[in-house]
Amino acid sequence: GAGVSQSPSNKVTEKGKDVELRCDPISGHTALYWYRQSLGQGLEFLIYFQGNSAPDKSGLPSDRFSAERTGGSVSTLTIQRTQQEDSAVYLCASSFGQGPRELFFGEGSRLTVL
Amino acid sequence: GDSVTQMEGPVTLSEEAFLTINCTYTATGYPSLFWYVQYPGEGLQLLLKATKADDKGSNKGFEATYRKETTSFHLEKGSVQVSDSAVYFCALSDLSGGFKTIFGAGTRLFVKA
Repeated sequence: GAGVSQSPSNKVTEKGKDVELRCDPISGHTALYWYRQSLGQGLEFLIYFQGNSAPDKSGLPSDRFSAERTGGSVSTLTIQRTQQEDSAVYLCASSFGQGPRELFFGEGSRLTVL
Repeated sequence: GDSVTQMEGPVTLSEEAFLTINCTYTATGYPSLFWYVQYPGEGLQLLLKATKADDKGSNKGFEATYRKETTSFHLEKGSVQVSDSAVYFCALSDLSGGFKTIFGAGTRLFVKA
């Protein structure tokens, strides 16, 4: 596609429910990132996929959070048993190749946990 | 691990004022440094970058110089406009971190007409 696509753009859920957020990166981009942006906070790194290497999961805040990337393209971030503190905008970004490259961001998925 | 520290905002300036947003970093290697901007209602986009010491990145009248001796990458603009109102993020990417990009907390800039 022309850019990084994320869905849903908005998600309201009840505490304790599971949610899935999807990211479709730019075609051909080998690296894919998930970040979390909370109100008044910066960009919190969650997870990083680079090609066929094992993902860097060092930013996942708890074992309720997981992500996978199928076929080196689409990625799904799953949050189990959501809590109110999970409310945030979840941003996906992709980049081409290895090394320090420009990231291209999606518009984000805004999650609200009631 | 690697980290980025930015000055806290919000920063409020009048049009045509001089802008500085401070950014310092901690890294074990020799990182590449970036400034990203998030305009209201839009996604983040790259503003400028520098890949080695003493490099100067520039774009849209903004500049930042990679200072290894002070581990800094301060963002400057000589004359801001209302349209520069946005959130600015300093970031780094380093081999020791597997080239994942780490961001600072962001600095919100308001420019008044």
